[in-house]
Amino acid sequence: EDQVTQSPEALRLQEGESSSLNCSYTVSGLRGLFWYRQDPGKGPEFLFTLYSAGEEKEKERLKATLTKKESFLHITAPKPEDSATYLCAVQGLGSGSARQLTFGSGTQLTVLP
Amino acid sequence: DSGVTQTPKHLITATGQRVTLRCSPRSGDLSVYWYQQSLDQGLQFLIHYYNGEERAKGNILERFSAQQFPDLHSELNLSSLELGDSALYFCASAPSGSTDTQYFGPGTRLTVL
Repeated sequence: EDQVTQSPEALRLQEGESSSLNCSYTVSGLRGLFWYRQDPGKGPEFLFTLYSAGEEKEKERLKATLTKKESFLHITAPKPEDSATYLCAVQGLGSGSARQLTFGSGTQLTVLP
Repeated sequence: DSGVTQTPKHLITATGQRVTLRCSPRSGDLSVYWYQQSLDQGLQFLIHYYNGEERAKGNILERFSAQQFPDLHSELNLSSLELGDSALYFCASAPSGSTDTQYFGPGTRLTVL
């Protein structure tokens, strides 16, 4: 069974204070690892897909990296508008043609002005 | 805006009742996934349809059912509702082809009183 653990559960940063969110995963073969951003009461918004260890992707102040056991979402010089819950999900080879995602519980990020 | 639409946005009903949630995928997407998000369970996969056919079931109760119609929109039917069914229900659609990224709709908030 695929499993995803995210840490920390909550993170408060001052504007401009860089940090990283962690996503540890267990899958029987990784098809893909996904990062989403979710604002309260809204649907998850796609950020990145990573497919193999060593892969990195960037978008504005966010950078996602992947190893064989975990992924990091690095936030550089965050702004208050980056405040949201960040969700990590994996798609394992065991999900076959269904390709459902297994999500972590998320990290709630608050960036203070 | 992901291009996935869901109706209604909010639904308030009583225990024992039946409701139908509707999802229209992004133009061209053949796959529709349904997820449930509650405070204590996080995002949980319910069911996947591809081009009208059921492909996989996750943690979906027997009181719940879904279908995907020829125009590719999908409906999730919840019956004999219980207080514990109160949650956010999301659908996601995925492109045809090799990419596995799922794009989520805005969700339907169900409150069972």
